[in-house]
Amino acid sequence: AQKITQTQPGMFVQEKEAVTLDCTYDTSDPSYGLFWYKQPSSGEMIFLIYQGSYDQQNATEGRYSLNFQKARKSANLVISASQLGDSAMYFCAMREDLNSGGYQKVTFGIGTKLQVIP
Amino acid sequence: SQTIHQWPATLVQPVGSPLSLECTVEGTSNPNLYWYRQAAGRGLQLLFYSVGIGQISSEVPQNLSASRPQDRQFILSSKKLLLSDSGFYLCAWRPTGTGNSPLHFGNGTRLTVT
Repeated sequence: AQKITQTQPGMFVQEKEAVTLDCTYDTSDPSYGLFWYKQPSSGEMIFLIYQGSYDQQNATEGRYSLNFQKARKSANLVISASQLGDSAMYFCAMREDLNSGGYQKVTFGIGTKLQVIP
Repeated sequence: SQTIHQWPATLVQPVGSPLSLECTVEGTSNPNLYWYRQAAGRGLQLLFYSVGIGQISSEVPQNLSASRPQDRQFILSSKKLLLSDSGFYLCAWRPTGTGNSPLHFGNGTRLTVT
């Protein structure tokens, strides 16, 4: 079974509009974390935002916010006021603590390609 | 500050040739280290991760192997490359035991097997 599911291969958004990128996850570990990364065409991986499984509030970082619904196992990324520079691949990832020993496995979804239209 | 170095940036190798990609981290100790592969237009596939010297966990059985001969050095190898090994290889690290620390990635190696 997929650990991280991103069901939107591609998304379009008008410049200055908000967009939501979907991510659902699957884990039986009570302690886990969720990340979102941006990958421009250059290939670099840029960390955007983090949400811990015990965090009470949704994470926010500037124009990025994470809509965390624990019961539904979803961690959607919301980008407000889209800019042309937001055009990129976006990946959702999950850290699992694997019980002990410092093992912290991080798995990624297949990504969503976002294109911002002027 | 911590930095991660990954080389080479690009590599073209014939089928059946060996492979060695190297990754080193500076400015931290005992990091968790990871190798990912990204096929063209696809997501990141976790290949190997390591929590310490000589401790390697493999996620995908294939003709690749990884080694961690030193605390901050992670090497990805193959004895004989296949066409399907082509892709973008990313090394990453994160501090052990810190929940909200993200993965920090190297700049990647674009491998083309011909």
